[in-house]
Amino acid sequence: EADIYQTPRYLVIGTGKKITLECSQTMGHDKMYWYQQDPGMELHLIHYSYGVNSTEKGDLSSESTVSRIRTEHFPLTLESARPSHTSQYLCASSNERGWYNEQFFGPGTRLTVL
Amino acid sequence: AQTVTQSQPEMSVQEAETVTLSCTYDTSESDYYLFWYKQPPSRQMILVIRQEAYKQQNATENRFSVNFQKAAKSFSLKISDSQLGDAAMYFCAYRSRNQGGKLIFGQGTELSVKP
Repeated sequence: EADIYQTPRYLVIGTGKKITLECSQTMGHDKMYWYQQDPGMELHLIHYSYGVNSTEKGDLSSESTVSRIRTEHFPLTLESARPSHTSQYLCASSNERGWYNEQFFGPGTRLTVL
Repeated sequence: AQTVTQSQPEMSVQEAETVTLSCTYDTSESDYYLFWYKQPPSRQMILVIRQEAYKQQNATENRFSVNFQKAAKSFSLKISDSQLGDAAMYFCAYRSRNQGGKLIFGQGTELSVKP
């Protein structure tokens, strides 16, 4: 079944650790996005990609980095996690053909940095 | 820069009744799309309804409809015959035609449905 997946769903980690949040989609979408969402708050775009080897920073500054080596995979990495990185991270994807198409969201990763 | 504002942090509705969620936005563009997304507790965000800015006719999807007032830059969501499963955070979002697929979200409205 075509879908978008994120792992892990929950992550509690200590300060200074390197972490990678995984995002994969099986819908063949060209565009992928990472949003950051604090509890009960709006989503802010932190990274996006329009295709393989294409990545851009979003509207909200983030210390994280992303890569897009394969169409279906868009991982987000924090080299050294800090308590200020505690948040929910949502991955989304959309079809390149027709900018009107909706974004499909993954279930999110809730990150807590101690 | 475009902004989206949802002025109702929380709303409540009785089951089977109708509720309207408000959304205003600010843009200098004339060609764009507007969306309402639903985020149930601990579940994935899903699209509820979308509106093309150049269409005057308000979009409808079953029990969900919008009141799109382009001149006033207003985009409200009406939920008719509310059901317990409608309880969720609702986000209004804006998408420019000229900035790819990026969405700009409002702050969200938490809707509770009373049985």
